[in-house]
Amino acid sequence: QVQLVQSAPEVKKPGASVKVSCKASGYTLTTNYIYWLRQAPGQGLEWMGRINPNNGATDYAQKFQGRVTLTRDTSINTAYMELSSLRSDDTALFYCARGSYRGIMDVWGKGTTVTVSS
Amino acid sequence: QSALTQPASVSGSPGQSITISCTGTSSDAGGYKFVSWYQQHPGEAPKLMIYDVSNRPSGVSNRFSGSKSGNTASLNISGLQAEDAADYYCSSYTGSTTPVVFGGGTKLTVL
Repeated sequence: QVQLVQSAPEVKKPGASVKVSCKASGYTLTTNYIYWLRQAPGQGLEWMGRINPNNGATDYAQKFQGRVTLTRDTSINTAYMELSSLRSDDTALFYCARGSYRGIMDVWGKGTTVTVSS
Repeated sequence: QSALTQPASVSGSPGQSITISCTGTSSDAGGYKFVSWYQQHPGEAPKLMIYDVSNRPSGVSNRFSGSKSGNTASLNISGLQAEDAADYYCSSYTGSTTPVVFGGGTKLTVL
């Protein structure tokens, strides 16, 4: 079945970077956008950015511009989100989701917890 | 502060109907027919419940329906069931360099 499998939880120190993977199965990655969202503990969903896996084009939320990089490796059907200069308030659950150009996200990964702590 | 405004909480008794509102502007929810609603149970990933204002994905109960008037979209849940208790988020396409915006979420309690 169609699913997105995300990488394992991460624990990072402030100032470090984290790279989260999102492997698509049951469909070809290049046929849909991949969206990335952040959900801080007890908070709502926050859009971070999206990538068109077909050509690698990206859009980023202004809040994360300069700190987030979205990439993909079509040979292994996997998308990546790298967040740099981590701060304690980046501690959150990060989701990838398959989506349309107009933002309909129909398949979600289970999320990857990133904990930032000294 | 979220781009779309939702009530923090709503509640209803089993069998009743509830409505969750989602208010934006003409640059997002009011300007496009691309409003989606997501349901999120504790500890789970969000699930798409409504897209394009009023369309249900396959497998979503017809107790869930969506509509829009002006800048405000609404999610209606009829015949409330205990399993409907969850957080609900609306989102809208914007056509800008920030293509998607979300509401802050609404916690539905089934009494």
